[in-house]
Amino acid sequence: GQNIDQPTEMTATEGAIVQINCTYQTSGFNGLFWYQQHAGEAPTFLSYNVLDGLEEKGRFSSFLSPSNGYSYLLLKELQMKDSASYLCAVRDSNYQLIWGAGTKLIIKP
Amino acid sequence: IAGITQAPTSQILAAGRRMTLRCTQDMRHNAMYWYRQDLGLGLRLIHYSNTAGTTGKGEVPDGYSVSRANTDDFPLTLASAVPSQTSVYFCASSDSTSGDYNEQFFGPGTRLTVL
Repeated sequence: GQNIDQPTEMTATEGAIVQINCTYQTSGFNGLFWYQQHAGEAPTFLSYNVLDGLEEKGRFSSFLSPSNGYSYLLLKELQMKDSASYLCAVRDSNYQLIWGAGTKLIIKP
Repeated sequence: IAGITQAPTSQILAAGRRMTLRCTQDMRHNAMYWYRQDLGLGLRLIHYSNTAGTTGKGEVPDGYSVSRANTDDFPLTLASAVPSQTSVYFCASSDSTSGDYNEQFFGPGTRLTVL
């Protein structure tokens, strides 16, 4: 079966750094996406990885290790507005997205 | 219109009633998708369309139907609603399904309650 695992909830302090992990087992792999979803809103695209390594985009970075079925999203200089759920999604052999349940990130002052 | 719109925003529906959720995009994207999102679960694909005139079944298609008569519109119909279809429904679109990136853009969602 296809499976994507990420922690249910994490708590971090404003100004700090947090790493959200995602492990996956899917039928085929054609890239991994991270999305941000604020409560009551739609998911919005954050990052895309298909090759081994780190992609940096401002305060957010995403790392991928396809051989280990592992990715993480790194958020630096946390701000209160970063309080949201972070969704990991893998594009499988049929080019459909398989979604994790999301990690709710709580930022404390 | 900018991006993807969905209607209605929310709806309370009696079990057994027929309901169509509307989705329109103005980005000329080829691919469109319908997902449901339930607490504690990831987004689950209901139906998709890779291009106008074609549709396909996703992970949880039972009880739902779709059509794609043109590029912009992708309505989702519940023929006879049941309480287990209570959920938040998101429509999404992408330029295509393959190749790098081609991230999906999401509509604001429809919150549906079936009593």
